[in-house]
Amino acid sequence: EADIYQTPRYLVIGTGKKITLECSQTMGHDKMYWYQQDPGMELHLIHYSYGVNSTEKGDLSSESTVSRIRTEHFPLTLESARPSHTSQYLCASAAGEESQPQHFGDGTRLSIL
Amino acid sequence: GQNIDQPTEMTATEGAIVQINCTYQTSGFNGLFWYQQHAGEAPTFLSYNVLDGLEEKGRFSSFLSRSKGYSYLLLKELQMKDSASYLCAPMDSNYQLIWGAGTKLIIKP
Repeated sequence: EADIYQTPRYLVIGTGKKITLECSQTMGHDKMYWYQQDPGMELHLIHYSYGVNSTEKGDLSSESTVSRIRTEHFPLTLESARPSHTSQYLCASAAGEESQPQHFGDGTRLSIL
Repeated sequence: GQNIDQPTEMTATEGAIVQINCTYQTSGFNGLFWYQQHAGEAPTFLSYNVLDGLEEKGRFSSFLSRSKGYSYLLLKELQMKDSASYLCAPMDSNYQLIWGAGTKLIIKP
C-alpha cells in the first residue's frame, strides 16, 4: 500500500488568495503527478515530475506552479485563486518502471468563493 | 488525437458477472491500466496489461487486444461494494496515462 498524503482535505477560500496544496509520499517514488477532477469527469494532468528539480507541465498548468526540491514532497501553488479553480485536486506517485501504477492521495476538495 | 471510449453507465445484479469494454486510440502504446474509483474518492489500481491476452486477479480479470485497440474488465460474483466508476487508462508513447470519464457501474440487489 502506497503512503501518499495530501493536505488540506478541504479548503474554502476567497477569490484572489494564494493557495498551496501539499503532497508528500513515503515510498521513495521518483514520479509524482497533480491532477484536477470534477465529479463524473476525467482526470486532467496539471503538472508532473520525474525526480528532484525536474517538473513538467500538463494540459492544465497555466495558472499554477509546482516545485520538487525533495523526492517526497511535491506542492502545488495557485498564485491567485478564481472560482473556476473549484474542483478536486489529486496527487499521485509511481515507482520508476513504466509498468508500475500510480498511487493516489485522498485529494483536496477546493472551493473558491 | 487520443481518445477513450467506454460506456457511460452500466447496471448489474449482485452475484452476477459484468464486462466493461474500452476502446482507445493513442499515439503509441505502452500498456493499459484499469482503476476503480468510488464516488468522492481517489482512483485505486486494479490491473495492468501490456501484452495481448487475459490477466486474472481474483474476482477481476482484464483483457487486452493491442491490434484492435480494445480492452475489457470482467468482474465476477458482483458485490454491492463494486458499485463505482471504472477507468480505462492507456499509456501513450510519452508514458503518459490518457484518462477518460470511466464507466459508472451500479449494482442492484
